[in-house]
Amino acid sequence: EIVMTQSPATLSVSPGERATLSCRASQSVSSNLAWYQQKPGQAPRLLIYGASTRATGIPARFSGSGSGTEFTLTISSLQSEDFAVYYCQQYNNWPPLTFGQGTKVEIK
Amino acid sequence: QVQLVESGGGVVQPGRSLRLSCTASGFTFSSYALHWVRQAPVKGLDWVAFILNDGTNKYYADSVKGRFTISRDNSKNTLYLQMDSLRPEDTAVYYCARVSIQWRVTGAFDVWGQGTMVTVSS
Repeated sequence: EIVMTQSPATLSVSPGERATLSCRASQSVSSNLAWYQQKPGQAPRLLIYGASTRATGIPARFSGSGSGTEFTLTISSLQSEDFAVYYCQQYNNWPPLTFGQGTKVEIK
Repeated sequence: QVQLVESGGGVVQPGRSLRLSCTASGFTFSSYALHWVRQAPVKGLDWVAFILNDGTNKYYADSVKGRFTISRDNSKNTLYLQMDSLRPEDTAVYYCARVSIQWRVTGAFDVWGQGTMVTVSS
């Protein structure tokens, strides 16, 4: 099983600032990595797939990078609607399909 | 619009069964593989099961293997999750989710339902 580890667990950021979230895989997942955003009481929403491709309708302030075992999600200038929990997911080697434990981005 | 809507959740005693449904609209259901993903209260996302677009391939998480059965009826645009021998640790919101590319086995999940809550408690 591929273990996905996200850091930090919580990120405190002021609106307008840059946020950088990390995701590490226990073995290579190539570029088969997705990022999701989840707000309280809502289903997850796909942000990034293929490690770096924005999903339909996702603003350009969201960007993904990395390959192999190290990945980053960057939010260039945080807006109020971006405060949420973010999950990475690998879909390279499964079952089981695995998610990271999440990073909560909160208002500083 | 493209949509998945889950139903069938509720409160059930340990050891009992429940069947969840996920009804699709706005896309060609039979062209897409689907997954069930769950989320226990204040916890992260936990993959449960997968089914190929034609129902021929199915995979399960070890935690549910032998107790849960995923199936689909392409004539009804509906995905199912039959949950037997339920345990308290199965308590979660259950989401159905679509693999983003037609005819593909693997991929990110581009469409999610709103979720249905299952509570296993005596």
